[in-house]
Formats: sequence, C-alpha cells, structure tokens
Amino acid sequence: QTMVTQESSLTVSPGGTVTLTCASSTGPVTSDYFPNWFQQKPGQAPRSLIYTTSNKHSWTPARFSGSLLGGKAALTLSGVQPEDEAEYYCLIYYGGARVFGTGTKVTVL
Amino acid sequence: QVQLVQSGAEVKKPGASVKVSCKTSGYTFTDYYIHWVRQAPGQGLEWMGWINPNSGGTNYAQKFQGWVTMTRDTSISTVYIDLSSLTRLTSDDTAVYYCAREKSEVWDVWGQGTTVTVSS
Repeated sequence: QTMVTQESSLTVSPGGTVTLTCASSTGPVTSDYFPNWFQQKPGQAPRSLIYTTSNKHSWTPARFSGSLLGGKAALTLSGVQPEDEAEYYCLIYYGGARVFGTGTKVTVL
Repeated sequence: QVQLVQSGAEVKKPGASVKVSCKTSGYTFTDYYIHWVRQAPGQGLEWMGWINPNSGGTNYAQKFQGWVTMTRDTSISTVYIDLSSLTRLTSDDTAVYYCAREKSEVWDVWGQGTTVTVSS
C-alpha cells in the first residue's frame, strides 16, 4: 500500500514563511510524479493551488510556490496571511493511480 | 465559466446503493478526465478513481474495485459514480464525495461535494 506522508500540523506567524513537504513511501518524489497541491478550508471543497510540481493556476496567490526539496515535493507559503489558515493536501501520481497525502493543518498565529 | 455541479445529499441504509452525479458545463466535456474523491468526517482526501469521458474508460483505486462504477452520459455532459453492492455500503462510507476535472496532470476545478450518509 503506497503512502504519501505530510506533516500533520504547522504553525506560522502572519507575514512569516512556512514549507510543507510531501513524501512517498516508494522513494524520492521527482517531477515524474506530477505533484499537485490543494487547499481546503472547513466546510469547503478543495481548491487547486499548484500543478506539476511548481506551476500556479491563474487564481493562485503569488505567495504560494511549489518545488522539490530533498526528495520530497514541497509547498512554500511566503508572507503568510490569516486567510491561509487551512488544510493542505498534496497529490502524487503512480502510473494510472493517484494518492493523496495525509494533509497538513496550517495555523496562522 | 467552467462548473462541476453535483447532485444533492443522500441518506441510505446499510446495504443500499447510491448514485451521485456530476454535471459539467463551460468546456468540452470529452477533453478532461473526471476524478472522484471522498472525504470521511474529520478525515483526509481519498482518491477513488477516474473516468475518461471520451472513451468511457475507467481506472479505480484498488480499494474500490468491484463495488464502484463510474459512467458518463455525453449527451448531457454528466458523469456518475455508482456505489453499489447489496452488501457493501456501510457506515464507513459516510463521506462527502467530490468530482474534480484533470487534463495532462493538471487538476483544476472541483464540484461542490455531495454528502452521503449511511445509517440504519
């Protein structure tokens, strides 16, 4: 059973920077795994933020960026705003299958 | 604009079946895969599978093979997920079910979600 693991929770101050990571149980995550990132706020559907490692949608705020870091996919929030408090999920491709990460709860305090 | 509009909430008894729809608009229906994702109360997102609306081809997560069926009706640009089996649906399947579209490894638009409650 393939597992994708994220930090369970992270806390960041307003205006600060935080990096979330996404690790695969099968080994290093590369661009061939096409990582996507999503934001979900309570009671809402997920919203797509980043696709294929580092590409942003037209609606994605500039303070969000995606990358590969130490064999993991990473999502960095720079200049965090209170409205960034949410759950964040990565998604990894394994051939025809997709697996979501366990999710990271980001608290802005 | 692009929209994925899902059918309304369902309440079912254990062992029943349920079919949820995802009506699309604002784009060429056959150009994008549709995925189904579920989220149990207080839990994370779980990928269930995809359907290719062009060919009708499907790919299900191993956990759901044999009791989930994804179909489409190209005449009304709608995809469906059928959670059927006379003995399969249990309270563990209580969740919000989402559809989402994807093309070339790019996920973008999601449906609003459909709550399915399984309770005796």
